[in-house]
Parts: sequence; structure tokens; C-alpha cells
Amino acid sequence: DVKVTQSSRYLVKRTGEKVFLECVQDMDHENMFWYRQDPGLGLRLIYFSYDVKMKEKGDIPEGYSVSREKKERFSLILESASTNQTSMYLCASITQSGIGFFGQGTRLTVV
Amino acid sequence: AQSVTQLGSHVSVSEGALVLLRCNYSSSVPPYLFWYVQYPNQGLQLLLKYTTGATLVKGINGFEAEFKKSETSFHLTKPSAHMSDAAEYFCAVSLYNFNKFYFGSGTKLNVKP
Repeated sequence: DVKVTQSSRYLVKRTGEKVFLECVQDMDHENMFWYRQDPGLGLRLIYFSYDVKMKEKGDIPEGYSVSREKKERFSLILESASTNQTSMYLCASITQSGIGFFGQGTRLTVV
Repeated sequence: AQSVTQLGSHVSVSEGALVLLRCNYSSSVPPYLFWYVQYPNQGLQLLLKYTTGATLVKGINGFEAEFKKSETSFHLTKPSAHMSDAAEYFCAVSLYNFNKFYFGSGTKLNVKP
């Protein structure tokens, strides 16, 4: 089974902290994504990566950056956490036929 | 630009009744279409997808969806609801290279005994 693992299920961080969310996939997929999920808004794309060191902005990249140094790992970085970044963050890895495999999510609370 | 509209943020059905979850999309090019399910405190799991070929697509757990180009719709159905179907369902659209997925806002399905 394909596995997408997010490093934390729950995180509580203080305003202004730098926050790292890690995602690892074990199936050699090229495309990886970071979404945030908020009630009533569905999933909104923050960033995606289609290869090592390659990244593109999604629909809501402000306040975020990403890193992909190895194919299996895609990290989301909140440069200076703010309360409006309190959300559920989902990482996904996509096959070449478009099938998405999602991690279990990280629920981030910024206080 | 692509967008996905799911009608009804909450749908409630009785166990054994028909499930119908609506999805309409807008796309400048023929899209690929997906339905995902999310159980509480879980990530999303693929139910079914349409890329090319037969417009009626069967997925897991007895769900199916029909791509209707003229109506720009991809509604999800299941003939008989089960209690275990209670979850949130997301419709998604992607273009041919799968480097962007656009998700609807989700529909929470409640199944009453």
C-alpha cells in the first residue's frame, strides 16, 4: 500500500514561530501537494512540486514556503505563524494516472 | 479557470435509501474528474475517477458517478446507503497533467438508522 506520512497529527505553535510540516511518501511519485482544509471552503492548494527542487505556487501561497530536497519528502514551512493559519493541513502524493494518496493531516493551532 | 461546485453542504438519508451527491464543474478544457471520501480524522481516499472512455464510472463501496458533459456534472450515487457511508465527500477536477486539483467545498453525508 502506498503510504503518505505526515510527521505530526496535532501541533500547537505560538504567533511568530517558524513552523515545519513534514510529509513523506514511499512510492516514488513525482507530484506532491500541500493543501489546507477549512470548514465550508474545501481543500485549497498552497504549493505543489512535480520533481526534486521544483515547486509551483498554488492558490494561497502567501505566508508559506516549501522545500523538496529529496523525491520522497515535501516540507511546508510557515515562515512566521499567524492565527489565521490555524487549519488542517493535508499532504498528497499523486500517481501518473492522477490517483491521489493523502496523509492523515496535521491540525495546526496557532495561539 | 477551473472550479467545482457541490450543491448541499449537508445531506441526510435513511439507511437503505438512495444517495445522491451533486457536483458541477467549470473547465476550459475537458477535465479529469474525481470523488474522494474523508472519514473523521482521516485524510482523503479516492472513491472513483473519470479520465476517458465510459462515462459511467464505478468505484469502491458500491458508489458510482456519471460524467455528463452537456450538463458539466459528475454526480455521485449509491443505490442503498449504509451507516458506514457517513463521511464527507469531495468532488475534484484536474487537467491532463495532474499538477493541479481543484476541490469542491465538500458534502457531509449523514445516514440515519
